[in-house]
Amino acid sequence: SQQGEEDPQALSIQEGENATMNCSYKTSINNLQWYRQNSGRGLVHLILIRSNEREKHSGRLRVTLDTSKKSSSLLITASRAADTASYFCAKSASYGKLTFGQGTILTVHP
Amino acid sequence: DTEVTQTPKHLVMGMTNKKSLKCEQHMGHRAMYWYKQKAKKPPELMFVYSYEKLSINESVPSRFSPECPNSSLLNLHLHALQPEDSALYLCASSHPMGLAGGSSGPDTQYFGPGTRLTVL
Repeated sequence: SQQGEEDPQALSIQEGENATMNCSYKTSINNLQWYRQNSGRGLVHLILIRSNEREKHSGRLRVTLDTSKKSSSLLITASRAADTASYFCAKSASYGKLTFGQGTILTVHP
Repeated sequence: DTEVTQTPKHLVMGMTNKKSLKCEQHMGHRAMYWYKQKAKKPPELMFVYSYEKLSINESVPSRFSPECPNSSLLNLHLHALQPEDSALYLCASSHPMGLAGGSSGPDTQYFGPGTRLTVL
Protein backbone atom coordinates (compact mmCIF):
# COMPACT_ATOMS: atom_id res chain seq x y z
CA SER A 1 0.00 0.00 0.00
CA GLN A 2 1.19 3.52 -0.70
CA GLN A 3 -0.72 4.81 2.28
CA GLY A 4 1.29 6.25 5.11
CA GLU A 5 1.37 4.18 8.22
CA GLU A 6 0.92 5.99 11.48
CA ASP A 7 1.73 5.09 15.00
CA PRO A 8 0.51 4.94 17.57
CA GLN A 9 -3.04 4.11 16.51
CA ALA A 10 -4.26 5.68 19.73
CA LEU A 11 -2.61 7.95 22.28
CA SER A 12 -4.01 9.01 25.64
CA ILE A 13 -2.29 11.75 27.66
CA GLN A 14 -2.93 14.36 30.32
CA GLU A 15 -3.31 18.05 29.62
CA GLY A 16 0.04 19.79 29.54
CA GLU A 17 1.93 16.74 28.27
CA ASN A 18 3.45 16.51 24.81
CA ALA A 19 2.02 14.23 22.15
CA THR A 20 4.14 12.69 19.40
CA MET A 21 2.71 10.93 16.37
CA ASN A 22 4.72 9.23 13.67
CA CYS A 23 4.06 8.59 10.00
CA SER A 24 5.94 6.42 7.52
CA TYR A 25 5.52 6.15 3.79
CA LYS A 26 6.86 3.98 1.00
CA THR A 27 7.29 6.07 -2.15
CA SER A 28 8.80 9.47 -2.91
CA ILE A 29 6.83 12.59 -2.02
CA ASN A 30 6.48 16.21 -3.08
CA ASN A 31 5.40 17.18 0.39
CA LEU A 32 3.80 15.71 3.47
CA GLN A 33 0.85 17.28 5.23
CA TRP A 34 -0.81 16.81 8.60
CA TYR A 35 -4.54 17.18 9.15
CA ARG A 36 -6.77 17.06 12.21
CA GLN A 37 -10.30 15.70 12.29
CA ASN A 38 -12.69 16.20 15.14
CA SER A 39 -15.19 13.40 15.57
CA GLY A 40 -17.34 12.94 12.47
CA ARG A 41 -16.40 16.28 10.95
CA GLY A 42 -14.24 17.61 8.12
CA LEU A 43 -10.48 17.71 8.17
CA VAL A 44 -8.49 20.80 9.09
CA HIS A 45 -5.07 21.39 7.57
CA LEU A 46 -2.38 21.82 10.22
CA ILE A 47 0.98 22.03 8.52
CA LEU A 48 2.79 21.17 5.30
CA ILE A 49 6.43 20.21 5.05
CA ARG A 50 8.16 20.01 1.70
CA SER A 51 10.49 17.21 0.70
CA ASN A 52 13.53 19.51 0.93
CA GLU A 53 12.66 20.66 4.46
CA ARG A 54 13.64 18.86 7.65
CA GLU A 55 11.65 20.67 10.32
CA LYS A 56 8.80 23.09 10.52
CA HIS A 57 7.01 24.86 13.35
CA SER A 58 3.56 26.34 13.70
CA GLY A 59 2.51 27.48 17.15
CA ARG A 60 2.54 24.42 19.42
CA LEU A 61 3.14 22.10 16.46
CA ARG A 62 6.49 20.82 15.31
CA VAL A 63 6.83 18.58 12.28
CA THR A 64 9.97 16.79 11.19
CA LEU A 65 10.65 14.96 7.96
CA ASP A 66 13.36 12.39 7.31
CA THR A 67 13.27 11.48 3.63
CA SER A 68 16.06 8.93 4.02
CA LYS A 69 13.88 6.98 6.45
CA LYS A 70 10.65 7.96 4.69
CA SER A 71 9.14 9.11 7.95
CA SER A 72 7.66 12.18 9.59
CA SER A 73 6.62 13.07 13.09
CA LEU A 74 4.14 15.55 14.53
CA LEU A 75 4.77 16.91 18.01
CA ILE A 76 2.08 18.80 19.88
CA THR A 77 3.52 20.55 22.91
CA ALA A 78 1.62 21.50 26.07
CA SER A 79 -1.48 19.64 24.92
CA ARG A 80 -4.99 20.82 25.73
CA ALA A 81 -8.29 18.97 25.99
CA ALA A 82 -9.32 20.76 22.77
CA ASP A 83 -6.52 18.91 20.95
CA THR A 84 -8.52 15.69 21.29
CA ALA A 85 -9.07 14.54 17.70
CA SER A 86 -7.81 12.17 15.02
CA TYR A 87 -4.61 13.21 13.30
CA PHE A 88 -3.72 12.10 9.78
CA CYS A 89 -0.59 12.47 7.75
CA ALA A 90 -1.15 12.82 4.03
CA LYS A 91 1.37 12.26 1.30
CA SER A 92 1.30 14.46 -1.78
CA ALA A 93 3.03 12.74 -4.64
CA SER A 94 1.13 13.27 -7.84
CA TYR A 95 -1.24 15.71 -9.41
CA GLY A 96 -3.96 16.69 -6.97
CA LYS A 97 -3.78 13.46 -5.03
CA LEU A 98 -3.37 13.13 -1.29
CA THR A 99 -2.93 9.69 0.22
CA PHE A 100 -3.81 9.59 3.90
CA GLY A 101 -2.28 7.45 6.61
CA GLN A 102 -4.40 5.39 8.95
CA GLY A 103 -4.43 8.12 11.58
CA THR A 104 -3.76 8.48 15.28
CA ILE A 105 -6.61 9.02 17.73
CA LEU A 106 -5.41 11.46 20.38
CA THR A 107 -7.27 11.84 23.67
CA VAL A 108 -6.17 14.60 26.04
CA HIS A 109 -7.63 14.28 29.53
CA PRO A 110 -8.29 17.51 31.49
CA ASP B 1 -13.70 33.28 3.02
CA THR B 2 -11.87 30.01 3.71
CA GLU B 3 -14.96 27.86 4.01
CA VAL B 4 -16.13 24.88 2.04
CA THR B 5 -19.82 24.17 2.54
CA GLN B 6 -21.61 20.87 1.98
CA THR B 7 -25.30 20.04 1.88
CA PRO B 8 -27.08 18.17 3.23
CA LYS B 9 -25.35 17.40 6.53
CA HIS B 10 -27.17 14.09 6.81
CA LEU B 11 -28.88 11.97 4.16
CA VAL B 12 -30.79 8.73 4.48
CA MET B 13 -31.77 7.03 1.26
CA GLY B 14 -33.08 3.74 -0.01
CA MET B 15 -31.25 1.66 -2.57
CA THR B 16 -33.63 2.75 -5.34
CA ASN B 17 -33.45 6.48 -4.65
CA LYS B 18 -31.62 9.15 -6.58
CA LYS B 19 -30.06 11.92 -4.55
CA SER B 20 -27.30 14.52 -4.90
CA LEU B 21 -24.64 15.87 -2.59
CA LYS B 22 -23.56 19.46 -3.06
CA CYS B 23 -20.33 21.29 -2.31
CA GLU B 24 -19.49 24.97 -2.71
CA GLN B 25 -16.40 27.10 -2.20
CA HIS B 26 -15.62 30.77 -2.88
CA MET B 27 -11.86 30.76 -2.39
CA GLY B 28 -11.11 30.87 -6.09
CA HIS B 29 -9.78 27.32 -6.02
CA ARG B 30 -9.79 25.54 -9.37
CA ALA B 31 -9.33 22.00 -8.00
CA MET B 32 -12.10 20.20 -6.15
CA TYR B 33 -12.26 16.72 -4.67
CA TRP B 34 -14.66 14.08 -3.39
CA TYR B 35 -13.54 11.70 -0.66
CA LYS B 36 -15.30 8.80 1.04
CA GLN B 37 -14.55 8.03 4.67
CA LYS B 38 -15.73 4.98 6.56
CA ALA B 39 -15.78 4.95 10.35
CA LYS B 40 -12.32 4.84 11.96
CA LYS B 41 -10.64 4.87 8.54
CA PRO B 42 -8.79 7.57 6.60
CA PRO B 43 -10.46 9.47 3.75
CA GLU B 44 -10.20 7.75 0.38
CA LEU B 45 -10.05 9.83 -2.77
CA MET B 46 -12.89 9.31 -5.24
CA PHE B 47 -12.67 12.09 -7.84
CA VAL B 48 -10.59 15.14 -8.67
CA TYR B 49 -11.74 18.04 -10.83
CA SER B 50 -9.24 20.54 -12.14
CA TYR B 51 -10.48 23.62 -13.99
CA GLU B 52 -13.95 22.06 -14.06
CA LYS B 53 -12.71 18.95 -15.85
CA LEU B 54 -12.54 15.49 -14.33
CA SER B 55 -8.85 14.67 -13.95
CA ILE B 56 -8.85 11.69 -11.59
CA ASN B 57 -11.43 8.94 -11.11
CA GLU B 58 -10.21 6.38 -8.61
CA SER B 59 -12.16 3.52 -10.20
CA VAL B 60 -15.34 4.55 -8.46
CA PRO B 61 -18.51 2.58 -9.33
CA SER B 62 -20.80 4.26 -11.83
CA ARG B 63 -23.57 4.59 -9.25
CA PHE B 64 -21.55 7.64 -8.14
CA SER B 65 -21.58 10.38 -10.77
CA PRO B 66 -19.66 13.62 -10.17
CA GLU B 67 -20.44 16.93 -11.80
CA CYS B 68 -18.68 20.29 -11.71
CA PRO B 69 -21.11 22.90 -13.13
CA ASN B 70 -18.74 25.82 -12.48
CA SER B 71 -15.57 26.70 -10.62
CA SER B 72 -17.37 27.09 -7.28
CA LEU B 73 -19.69 24.10 -7.27
CA LEU B 74 -19.20 20.36 -7.13
CA ASN B 75 -21.99 17.79 -7.07
CA LEU B 76 -22.05 14.07 -6.47
CA HIS B 77 -25.08 12.33 -7.92
CA LEU B 78 -26.08 9.08 -6.25
CA HIS B 79 -28.18 6.33 -7.78
CA ALA B 80 -28.87 2.71 -6.83
CA LEU B 81 -26.47 2.77 -3.90
CA GLN B 82 -25.71 -0.19 -1.69
CA PRO B 83 -25.71 -0.29 2.14
CA GLU B 84 -21.90 -0.55 2.09
CA ASP B 85 -21.83 2.92 0.49
CA SER B 86 -22.91 4.37 3.83
CA ALA B 87 -20.10 6.70 4.90
CA LEU B 88 -19.04 10.30 5.45
CA TYR B 89 -18.57 12.02 2.08
CA LEU B 90 -16.11 14.86 2.18
CA CYS B 91 -15.57 17.61 -0.36
CA ALA B 92 -12.32 19.56 -0.55
CA SER B 93 -10.82 22.29 -2.69
CA SER B 94 -7.35 23.62 -3.40
CA HIS B 95 -5.27 25.50 -5.90
CA PRO B 96 -4.37 23.10 -8.69
CA MET B 97 -1.06 21.29 -8.25
CA GLY B 98 1.86 23.38 -9.38
CA LEU B 99 0.07 26.71 -9.01
CA ALA B 100 1.64 28.75 -6.22
CA GLY B 101 -0.79 30.27 -3.80
CA GLY B 102 -1.52 30.55 -0.12
CA SER B 103 0.86 30.40 2.80
CA SER B 104 0.21 26.72 3.42
CA GLY B 105 1.41 25.49 0.06
CA PRO B 106 -0.07 25.08 -3.39
CA ASP B 107 -1.84 21.82 -2.75
CA THR B 108 -3.14 22.32 0.75
CA GLN B 109 -6.70 21.09 0.69
CA TYR B 110 -9.59 22.76 2.48
CA PHE B 111 -12.31 20.37 3.56
CA GLY B 112 -16.02 20.80 4.08
CA PRO B 113 -17.77 19.31 7.13
CA GLY B 114 -19.02 16.35 5.13
CA THR B 115 -22.35 14.67 4.43
CA ARG B 116 -23.18 11.65 6.56
CA LEU B 117 -24.87 9.22 4.17
CA THR B 118 -26.87 6.20 5.28
CA VAL B 119 -28.15 3.76 2.67
CA LEU B 120 -30.95 1.49 3.84
